[in-house]
Amino acid sequence: DAKTTQPTSMDCAEGRAANLPCNHSTISGNEYVYWYRQIHSQGPQYIIHGLKNNETNEMASLIITEDRKSSTLILPHATLRDTAVYYCIVRGGVDSGYALNFGKGTSLLVTP
Amino acid sequence: DTAVSQTPKYLVTQMGNDKSIKCEQNLGHDTMYWYKQDSKKFLKIMFSYNNKELIINETVPNRFSPKSPDKAHLNLHINSLELGDSAVYFCASSPRTSGRRETQYFGPGTRLLVL
Repeated sequence: DAKTTQPTSMDCAEGRAANLPCNHSTISGNEYVYWYRQIHSQGPQYIIHGLKNNETNEMASLIITEDRKSSTLILPHATLRDTAVYYCIVRGGVDSGYALNFGKGTSLLVTP
Repeated sequence: DTAVSQTPKYLVTQMGNDKSIKCEQNLGHDTMYWYKQDSKKFLKIMFSYNNKELIINETVPNRFSPKSPDKAHLNLHINSLELGDSAVYFCASSPRTSGRRETQYFGPGTRLLVL
């Protein structure tokens, strides 16, 4: 699996956009980038995923660079309930049985 | 109408005991997983079952034995509990394993404390 690198922590003011970066320079051509988050004491929650193109859903937007070596998750209007640990994951191949390999993630704190 | 449910939510037990954690999903998914989140908050895969068949078995002590009576259930049985087994255990499910685009849905977790 391609390794991902994320900042340990970030702050964001409520109502502003939260931009969470992720580096995945060894990603292979057919691997997807997934984002999950874990709100304190809860199970991880799927946010969004993408391969090459930018993606948007009701929760967030995902911007993937053209060379696919990095991506940014954007929460357009962060709320206090978005405070969580955000995980950038490159989806494993057949050998990993498609398990999700969670790293340390980015701890996002949304402040009033 | 919870999608992935786990019981119990909390489990406190003595070293050496045997315990089970149950997981059920009502999403009609083919694949189920067990993850362990330790005190340092690292979340790691333990097992994966597809249609009642084991497909992932990470380096987990054989005191841990998953059991899948049907594809909607994946239970985790732990023998001879040790202090280091204290963690939060998450069950998850996904539609199938053949696609890299499949998302996983997680249960609320079972907090195990071994005294």
